[in-house]
Amino acid sequence: NAGVTQTPKFQVLKTGQSMTLQCAQDMNHEYMSWYRQDPGMGLRLIHYSVGAGITDQGEVPNGYNVSRSTTEDFPLRLLSAAPSQTSVYFCASSYSGQGASYYGYTFGSGTRLTVV
Amino acid sequence: RKEVEQDPGPFNVPEGATVAFNCTYSNSASQSFFWYRQDCRKEPKLLMSVYSSGNEDGRFTAQLNRASQYISLLIRDSKLSDSATYLCVVKGRDNYGQNFVFGPGTRLSVLP
Repeated sequence: NAGVTQTPKFQVLKTGQSMTLQCAQDMNHEYMSWYRQDPGMGLRLIHYSVGAGITDQGEVPNGYNVSRSTTEDFPLRLLSAAPSQTSVYFCASSYSGQGASYYGYTFGSGTRLTVV
Repeated sequence: RKEVEQDPGPFNVPEGATVAFNCTYSNSASQSFFWYRQDCRKEPKLLMSVYSSGNEDGRFTAQLNRASQYISLLIRDSKLSDSATYLCVVKGRDNYGQNFVFGPGTRLSVLP
């Protein structure tokens, strides 16, 4: 059981480049989300999805797009990378509804992104 | 005011010590509460959920005070392997009932 898989683990981008961070889970979780983690800021929600075809914005959505065509995959796209997007990105999934109240999140191992 | 606040830390304690982490949250409608552990350069991992009546898992005890909007985590008989950052997480309510808010974390170093 792989859980939540993120790729790549590390990435360096130049300002203005675009890229997609991949996230896949094999637990049949309905709920998936993307967070970024910066020193002293804690984890901040970028976008989330409660099921295939349904996405919504979190706390810091600007500069990022998401889509959810399948239950398993939830890619995060950086449209035009900026140095302010240098961060560690975590994808997470959970049960929806009552299950999430007890089980919380399962996180991927993260993507360390540097924008120069 | 941040939605979830924690002791700023870091906490440096000797092996065998008892250490307590405190967390406060501002949204009185919050529904579920968790403690996560995050090792350096790793992903957060669920340590334990926090129930209204309080709960214990081995050396770890979590308490919730809804009236004061306060959560605590107590670690007894600290081990070197307990060194990590401890994140307080509060689940609020959005249209889908899914909104986990993370505190900034408190770093613990257990010293030999």
